[in-house]
Amino acid sequence: AQKITQTQPGMFVQEKEAVTLDCTYDTSDQSYGLFWYKQPSSGEMIFLIYQGSYDEQNATEGRYSLNFQKARKSANLVISASQLGDSAMYFCAMRLSGNTPLVFGKGTRLSVIA
Amino acid sequence: DAGVTQSPTHLIKTRGQQVTLRCSPKSGHDTVSWYQQALGQGPQFIFQYYEEEERQRGNFPDRFSGHQFPNYSSELNVNALLLGDSALYLCASSLVAGYSLTDTQYFGPGTRLTVL
Repeated sequence: AQKITQTQPGMFVQEKEAVTLDCTYDTSDQSYGLFWYKQPSSGEMIFLIYQGSYDEQNATEGRYSLNFQKARKSANLVISASQLGDSAMYFCAMRLSGNTPLVFGKGTRLSVIA
Repeated sequence: DAGVTQSPTHLIKTRGQQVTLRCSPKSGHDTVSWYQQALGQGPQFIFQYYEEEERQRGNFPDRFSGHQFPNYSSELNVNALLLGDSALYLCASSLVAGYSLTDTQYFGPGTRLTVL
């Protein structure tokens, strides 16, 4: 069974600085997808970025990038130039091939300080 | 392009009652998954519907049931409510039951259920 671990319950970052949110995963499968979602206080889960296990390049989407280290089974999210609107819960999730459901970590609460 | 919508936004019930939550998927999506998110936790998978059938189910009792309609919208029903059922219920839609790893699930705003 797969497992996602997010060890940082809360993080603070100064506005305009970069921040890294940690995510480690555990699976014996070779084919899997890793996702990051943002959840503001409104509750909606907003998709941010995806990384496939066979992707050779780290994924990037605007200010979001994923630091994928397959051998260490880590998929850390890097947010550059933090904005006040980035304050939210961030969840790392994983899915195996063959139509399996998403498995989520417990999340990290990011607070951006002006 | 309409995103995933859910209703109602909030709901208060008492123990033993039954509740029905509704979800309309993102335009063009045919698969709906339901998740339960307890306070301070990540979402937990309940079940997934595709072609009006339950395709997968997580570790939830059969008090949790669902339905998908021909227009791909879906309902989540919970019978005999317990205090522990209090949570945010999230609906997510995707295309073709997620057989591709790159298939992304898009979530609605959720329904916050409080059981007293």
